[in-house]
Order: sequence, then structure tokens, then C-alpha cells
Amino acid sequence: QSALSQPASVSGSPGQSIAISCTGTSNDVGGYNFVSWYQQHPGKAPRLMIYDVRNRPSGISNRFSASKSGNTAFLTISGLQPEDEGDYHCSSFTGNNTWVFGGGTKVSVL
Amino acid sequence: QITLKESGPTLVKPTQTLTLTCTFSGFSLTTSGLNVGWIRQPPGKALEWLAVIYWDDDKRYSPSLKNRLNITKDTAKNQVVLTMTNVDPVDTATYFCVRGNWFDYWGQGTLVIVSS
Repeated sequence: QSALSQPASVSGSPGQSIAISCTGTSNDVGGYNFVSWYQQHPGKAPRLMIYDVRNRPSGISNRFSASKSGNTAFLTISGLQPEDEGDYHCSSFTGNNTWVFGGGTKVSVL
Repeated sequence: QITLKESGPTLVKPTQTLTLTCTFSGFSLTTSGLNVGWIRQPPGKALEWLAVIYWDDDKRYSPSLKNRLNITKDTAKNQVVLTMTNVDPVDTATYFCVRGNWFDYWGQGTLVIVSS
């Protein structure tokens, strides 16, 4: 199985909104509503931000939202803040009963 | 409080077998529906899903690594063990253990360097 495709980097100014895409196939992103998003700061373990395409775990700001269309999932960060800088990873359940990650996207706050 | 912690060697020689242990607390792998898995991240690179073991001992492996991986659990000790055979320098990475289908809890990770 191939990794999901994410843009290498996305940037925005404080207060702006940005969106990160995560493109897969009908065997993963497009076939299941089991897409998750993770935030990772340098030297730290990833943190779950979104699960099952659009659900936020307790404690995650509502500035983070997500959706899916066809084989592509999207994470939107609204009201961008300096602490949102970091790497963002998507993952999806697959038809092989396994999981696959994206290549990761570096978010910069200008 | 749910915690997971990885342990294992920091340095492994090529062709050797790597054994990593995940010790967890705050939940039990005897609970229906739960699972514990492993994910790795080479320095500066993307996350890669490796394997998962379920409460009923069902197991799944990354298709690209399945011939080299074995995952087991010890429910009495609250531990999950991952073994990887015939390691290579490309296996150098931080290895994380995670809980559940959503990977909602992560260990801190353990760096494994494969070098002669």
C-alpha cells in the first residue's frame, strides 16, 4: 500500500485559515470513514486532533475541523496561532485491515 | 490515567533481531474492542504504521514488513512486544506504541539506531 499524499508544507499568518489535504484511494480514504489527523511538535509524540473524518477528541480546540470528499480528506485550522506550528499527519484505515499514513505536512505560522 | 511506554535497545547491529516492549497502564487488553499497535518514524521522515494486536489476539501487519514482524501480548503484565528480524540501517527510527484504532494515546517513543 502506498502512503497517503499530503503537501510538504503549508503556511499562513496569525488569524488566517489554512487547509491541509490528504489524498488516498478508494481502498483507504475514499472507502472508509476512518481518517484521523495528528499534530506533532519537534521531539514529541504525535497528538490525536481528529478521528473518524471529522470528530474532535475532548480538549481539542474547535479551531480544528475536518472533512472528506471522495478520496481526499481535509484538515482546516481556523484562526491560526503560533502554537499551531508543527507537523500534521493524516492516517486512514485500509481495505487490508491495516492503517496507512500520509507523508506529513509542515505548518508554518508567518 | 492511560499511559504507554516503549523500551528496548538503542543500538542494534544489522541482521540482528530487534525486540521492543510496550508497557501500558490505565486499560486492559482483555477489554473487547481494544488494541495496541506500533508506529515508527525515521529521523525527519513520515510516520509508518507497523502492526497491531487486538484483545482477541487477532494480529495485522504492514504488508511491506509482515515477513519480518511479530507482535504478541502478555495481558497479565500489560505488555505488547514487537520483534523485527534482520534489521537494516533503514530501520533506524523512533518507535512508538499506540492505543486503539484512533491512536488516541501514544508512548513517548524510543529511538532505535541500526548500525555496525
